[in-house]
Amino acid sequence: DAGVTQSPTHLIKTRGQQVTLRCSPKSGHDTVSWYQQALGQGPQFIFQYYEEEERQRGNFPDRFSGHQFPNYSSELNVNALLLGDSALYLCASSPLGLAERTDTQYFGPGTRLTVL
Amino acid sequence: ELKVEQNPLFLSMQEGKNYTIYCNYSTTSDRLYWYRQDPGKSLESLFVLLSNGAVKQEGRLMASLDTKARLSTLHITAAVHDLSATYFCAVDNRRGGNKLTFGTGTQLKVEL
Repeated sequence: DAGVTQSPTHLIKTRGQQVTLRCSPKSGHDTVSWYQQALGQGPQFIFQYYEEEERQRGNFPDRFSGHQFPNYSSELNVNALLLGDSALYLCASSPLGLAERTDTQYFGPGTRLTVL
Repeated sequence: ELKVEQNPLFLSMQEGKNYTIYCNYSTTSDRLYWYRQDPGKSLESLFVLLSNGAVKQEGRLMASLDTKARLSTLHITAAVHDLSATYFCAVDNRRGGNKLTFGTGTQLKVEL
């Protein structure tokens, strides 16, 4: 089991550009969540995808959008990049029906985005 | 809005000592997580606490949950250098469907 994988590992962009980050969930998981972690802070929830639809969203502007594919993998897109978008972007996967399970969300290694 | 606070933010301790990290949250929750993060790395799951009075232990770490007080603790027994990392608690109120709200993190440094 490869666990949650993310690509790329690092990315450098300039202000105003657009970026796409990718995530493949852990085998057997159908729900993908994205988090932004600024330096020295805890992760902040961006949004969550299930059945190719955005199920819920955190307090992030519309510049942040996403997509989930039929194989459960997901993309995070950020348009019109700002310096403040520099952060570690983490993808987490989980099976939807956690009510009866003790499974936790599993986090990928993250993508480090630097906006210059 | 769910808020999660941890204290202390920074903790420097000597090997062999005991200490406790506290995690307070503002609204009812039925699921609390503890994660560890090494510098530049992702989050490693430590514990999932599902009910009031739940206690889990793994090695030198023990986590507990008091849902009435909206408080979780992570107790470190006889600390060793390898425990140096940042520890986060995170709360999932389930109403949000596995949407985690993280605490501010506690940066732990265990001196040799």
